[in-house]
Amino acid sequence: AAGVIQSPRHLIKEKRETATLKCYPIPRHDTVYWYQQGPGQDPQFLISFYEKMQSDKGSIPDRFSAQQFSDYHSELNMSSLELGDSALYFCASSFGRGLYGYTFGSGTRLTVV
Amino acid sequence: SQQGEEDPQALSIQEGENATMNCSYKTSINNLQWYRQNSGRGLVHLILIRSNEREKHSGRLRVTLDTSKKSSSLLITASRAADTASYFCATYYNNAGNMLTFGGGTRLMVKP
Repeated sequence: AAGVIQSPRHLIKEKRETATLKCYPIPRHDTVYWYQQGPGQDPQFLISFYEKMQSDKGSIPDRFSAQQFSDYHSELNMSSLELGDSALYFCASSFGRGLYGYTFGSGTRLTVV
Repeated sequence: SQQGEEDPQALSIQEGENATMNCSYKTSINNLQWYRQNSGRGLVHLILIRSNEREKHSGRLRVTLDTSKKSSSLLITASRAADTASYFCATYYNNAGNMLTFGGGTRLMVKP
């Protein structure tokens, strides 16, 4: 069965650069979520989209933005990168707004140097 | 603030033993979910227990939920070296936004 696809798997950027992470949810899932997981930390919710509209917002810095496109894929845009942005970024998708469980992608490991 | 907190933070056992991890949370929930994460890898959904359920089984996994105490436990029976991973509980409450809130995770090491 198709899973949540994230790209790229690894990304190295310098401070103050921008990065774009992509997520392709499971077909027919109606909600996409972005999470950030710092080293040794639990995943923190950033933002979600329900049927291509922004749904909930968590601890997402103003330097980050995200959107979901007509084909349901989502992109997380990160500007003015800081060393502290180095983390694993997960995308997840769900049906029924998450009530029945989430499926997570394998994540993008972002390293800011 | 964290919704779920896990106990213990780290657990080391021998292969064949049982592993029990506990999770506490603070608010009402619709369901509680357990996830597994191998080092630096993705989160894998293990089991979901609804707020009106008290116990659920899946293979060697047994999850209990006590909504009066706002706590859950994950039991892995007859552990294997391949069970070595971090285990997270996460709560879902649609009146507080439709997102999962994760706890701190338990790092389980199963020694062969």
